[in-house]
Amino acid sequence: NAGVMQNPRHLVRRRGQEARLRCSPMKGHSHVYWYRQLPEEGLKFMVYLQKENIIDESGMPKERFSAEFPKEGPSILRIQQVVRGDSAAYFCASSDTSGYTFGSGTRLTVV
Amino acid sequence: TQLLEQSPQFLSIQEGENLTVYCNSSSVFSSLQWYRQEPGEGPVLLVTVVTGGEVKKLKRLTFQFGDARKDSSLHITAAQPGDTGLYLCAGALSGGNKLTFGGGTRVLVKP
Repeated sequence: NAGVMQNPRHLVRRRGQEARLRCSPMKGHSHVYWYRQLPEEGLKFMVYLQKENIIDESGMPKERFSAEFPKEGPSILRIQQVVRGDSAAYFCASSDTSGYTFGSGTRLTVV
Repeated sequence: TQLLEQSPQFLSIQEGENLTVYCNSSSVFSSLQWYRQEPGEGPVLLVTVVTGGEVKKLKRLTFQFGDARKDSSLHITAAQPGDTGLYLCAGALSGGNKLTFGGGTRVLVKP
């Protein structure tokens, strides 16, 4: 009865490196959402995906950020050439008709 | 300015006292959800309200959705230290799947 699985839980990257965050939705869920949370703040929507399709990416920064949800395998949030301002907790959620379930998040630290 | 404003931002009370957290907006939401988030974890869904004027009870927690579906409140009766956490409201706009989160209310219940 696994929930939404995110890995890694913690990720440290130097400025300019790439960060890859993975999310496996709950079994049977075909909708995946990525949110970013800065310390002591609420969550900010980034992107909404279904299998092989980006449905809404209105919250994604125009540069360096991309997301995918392939036919097979987890959803990936990719951040290229990370900067200190990318340090945050990134949460993935999946949903069906009954509602959202969030993963435990990936905490990205850029040094 | 946030689409959903939560107040207060921080609340510290003694065990046994009551507390109320508010979530307000100028927008109408098709549904509104309340989450609780522990440090280092993802948000956990407490309740979803969908009908204007709706009241839902979950043990010592009472949730209310405003008649116009623009605001909501969370009331905790006889708070316990286990109620300590970050409480987040989140709304879905009509026709949308993504959630807009409030900034959160950090609740501390002292024994």
